[in-house]
Formats: sequence, structure tokens, C-alpha cells
Amino acid sequence: GAVVSQHPSWVICKSGTSVKIECRSLDFQATTMFWYRQFPKQSLMLMATSNEGSKATYEQGVEKDKFLINHASLTLSTLTVTSAHPEDSSFYICSAPQRGRASDRGDQDEQFFGPGTRLTVL
Amino acid sequence: AQKITQTQPGMFVQEKEAVTLDCTYDTSDPSYGLFWYKQPSSGEMIFLIYQGSYDQQNATEGRYSLNFQKARKSANLVISASQLGDSAMYFCAFLSWGKFQFGAGTQVVVTP
Repeated sequence: GAVVSQHPSWVICKSGTSVKIECRSLDFQATTMFWYRQFPKQSLMLMATSNEGSKATYEQGVEKDKFLINHASLTLSTLTVTSAHPEDSSFYICSAPQRGRASDRGDQDEQFFGPGTRLTVL
Repeated sequence: AQKITQTQPGMFVQEKEAVTLDCTYDTSDPSYGLFWYKQPSSGEMIFLIYQGSYDQQNATEGRYSLNFQKARKSANLVISASQLGDSAMYFCAFLSWGKFQFGAGTQVVVTP
């Protein structure tokens, strides 16, 4: 099956610094990737859609200047949390669509998730 | 806009028993997919089962089965013969036009 990796798996940083998280599709190309944020004991919330070669599309309420997304190639999307603060501490997960179980039985691509990045801002 | 609802924040289930996790959704899209994912404490999202909106039969994957009632817009997950390793957070997800929307999740704790 399709594999998506994330790096780093966890990061601790000081308040005010910027943190970059990478999301890679290892065995397939992805023109689109998705970034989610998950606070403890809560659900995954879609933050933005990363589009290769064009600007990302942000969900309502997500600050695009705070969460910079760059989809530099067909296998890599990066999320940079700029001037991170403790309230940005969260679990960040990316996903990429690819043909899978949904595609075989319909017109939807399946989403393959990365293992997530746990960000702690002190 | 779609809305997906999981009304059970947490459940205890005894080992070897079956458990049903509820999921309802609201949409006007003619084509969509419904997924269930398991998220253990490590955080990874583990795919369990998928049901397409046009599927006539309920999906099954090993000990997991999906009770799909399209008219009632529900897609409940049934886990049979629960195991201690099934303790985790379970999310129902609605997929349409390439975007996922997740339910709030249900925390399942399997007891010996």
C-alpha cells in the first residue's frame, strides 16, 4: 500500500521559534496533500490543502501566515509553524490521496496518513 | 456542508465481547465514502474498514464489520470478539470530493 512519512516524529521548541514539518509520499506522487491538527482527546481538524505548484488552500479560521505550507514537489509538502507559541502545541498529521479501497469501489481516492508529528512549544 | 457525528465519547467492553460504535452523517452529496480508523496512543491512524455510498452490501474486514444504513445515514462499526489490543480511539470519517471530515471519536477500553 501507499506509504506516507513525516519528519520529525516529535519536536520540542522554545516559544517564538519556527518549526518545519515534512510530509513525504514514499512510493507514489501526490499533487495534493492535506494537513490536520489534533489536540489531545480531540478529533482531527483539517487545516489546509497543500497543492503542488500553487498556493495552499486554508480552512476557515486557520492563519495562513502562521502556518506556511509549501508543496515543492510531487512527493513533498512542508508545514512551517512560524513564531510558535505554547497554544500551537499539538499533534500534526498529513495525508495524501491515492487509489485504494475507496477507488476500487467508487470514485473516491483513499487517504493515506503519515504517522504524525508531536509538537511541544515551551 | 457535511456533518459527521459520533455520540459515544467512551465505552468499556469486556474481552471477547462484541461492541458497536455509532456514526451518523448528514450530506446531500450523491457519492461519498465512509471510513473507520483506529488511533492507538502512538497517534498513527490505522485504517479499519471502508463503505462506499453505492455499495449494496455491508463491508467486512476480519473482525470489523460496518452496519451501513443509507436511508438513516448511519455507518456503525461492529467489532466482534474484542481483544485487549483493540483499546484505542476510533474515528468515523466522511470522504467526499477528496476531503475527509472526522467525527469526534469514541474511546474504547477493553477489559479482561
